[in-house]
Amino acid sequence: DAKTTQPNSMESNEEEPVHLPCNHSTISGTDYIHWYRQLPSQGPEYVIHGLTSNVNNRMASLAIAEDRKSSTLILHRATLRDAAVYYCILRDTGTYKYIFGTGTRLKVLA
Amino acid sequence: DADVTQTPRNRITKTGKRIMLECSQTKGHDRMYWYRQDPGLGLRLIYYSFDVKDINKGEISDGYSVSRQAQAKFSLSLESAIPNQTALYFCATSDSGTGSFGTLHFGNGTRLTVT
Repeated sequence: DAKTTQPNSMESNEEEPVHLPCNHSTISGTDYIHWYRQLPSQGPEYVIHGLTSNVNNRMASLAIAEDRKSSTLILHRATLRDAAVYYCILRDTGTYKYIFGTGTRLKVLA
Repeated sequence: DADVTQTPRNRITKTGKRIMLECSQTKGHDRMYWYRQDPGLGLRLIYYSFDVKDINKGEISDGYSVSRQAQAKFSLSLESAIPNQTALYFCATSDSGTGSFGTLHFGNGTRLTVT
């Protein structure tokens, strides 16, 4: 199973953009890149996913490197409610297994 | 009502006891998963099931068993609980769509303590 590597923690000021990096150098051509976040005392929730092209939705943007070996989740204006652990995951299209890493704990400063 | 419901929310049990954690879903998804979360270790996959007759081991299945009683129900059992199985357990579902579908939907977790 392909693995992802993320920094353990990051900090951001409120209302500033946040770029959360993820390395996935062993990604295969058919693996989708998914991002989830886990708010305190809750189960993880879906944020965004992509395959090759950059993606935008109401929560965030996903920038994928041309060689697909890394990606960046972008929160355009961090709020205190965005404080969470963010997980970058590769979804195996063959087995549909989702293997989580340890994620990045984002702290947002008021 | 939650789409993915886990019961109980909290459970304290003694070493050697058998315990079952239950998960039910109203999303109509074919695929269900059990994850375990320990502090600092993220989520680890225990078992997953793609339909009632298809059950697969995940990363850490030793000491656990599962039962898929129906499309909507997926139970996790600890036959003889031990203290290092103390953790937060999550059930999740996903649909079986191809391509970019199949995002995970999680329950709110069961906090299990084995003394």
